[in-house]
Amino acid sequence: ETGVTQTPRHLVMGMTNKKSLKCEQHLGHNAMYWYKQSAKKPLELMFVYNFKEQTENNSVPSRFSPECPNSSHLFLHLHTLQPEDSALYLCASSPPGLATDRQFFGPGTRLTVL
Amino acid sequence: GQQVMQIPQYQHVQEGEDFTTYCNSSTTLSNIQWYKQRPGGHPVFLIQLVKSGEVKKQKRLTFQFGEAKKNSSLHITATQTTDVGTYFCAGPDNNAGNMLTFGGGTRLMVKP
Repeated sequence: ETGVTQTPRHLVMGMTNKKSLKCEQHLGHNAMYWYKQSAKKPLELMFVYNFKEQTENNSVPSRFSPECPNSSHLFLHLHTLQPEDSALYLCASSPPGLATDRQFFGPGTRLTVL
Repeated sequence: GQQVMQIPQYQHVQEGEDFTTYCNSSTTLSNIQWYKQRPGGHPVFLIQLVKSGEVKKQKRLTFQFGEAKKNSSLHITATQTTDVGTYFCAGPDNNAGNMLTFGGGTRLMVKP
């Protein structure tokens, strides 16, 4: 256990559905991340939040909408996804301030878009 | 932008053989990190190297950071089936706060 939890662990949705992924960390970290992992791009950074503020949006389509209500919780809202969005979505966190610190990953949500 | 490349992409070895994965960055890194992801799992931090030419060992795993701080390697001696997984290297993005740029990973398969 890394102290980072993600729910749900598996999700199947249609292209017209709206769903949300949740990430929670109890490590006292102030930086949180969303990654997409697929066969084509092993670890693709999507969003970065520092102290609840989004500091990076790595050219992610608007059908992915992140939300960070506080330093412990991170959401990824999904709507009108495409089959190519099927992937493992990983949340990670790291201690505040330092660019050098390790990241702690959650178990991921395996998403399938039909 | 900063790029981190890893070779090989895949490696099959017989149990007991050695294994090495190489990581190269397009820019000088302040540090290099290594992660392991077991099949069906998530990346787990293994180690961080900071100093030029640094070598660290964890049991059968030996990690090296190049003198120019642009490359690194992970060597596993006498592989075991428990070593199966994908090994990623990662370095801090020079242009962005606390972002890591990950390599593409090397997937290790071990035949018993």
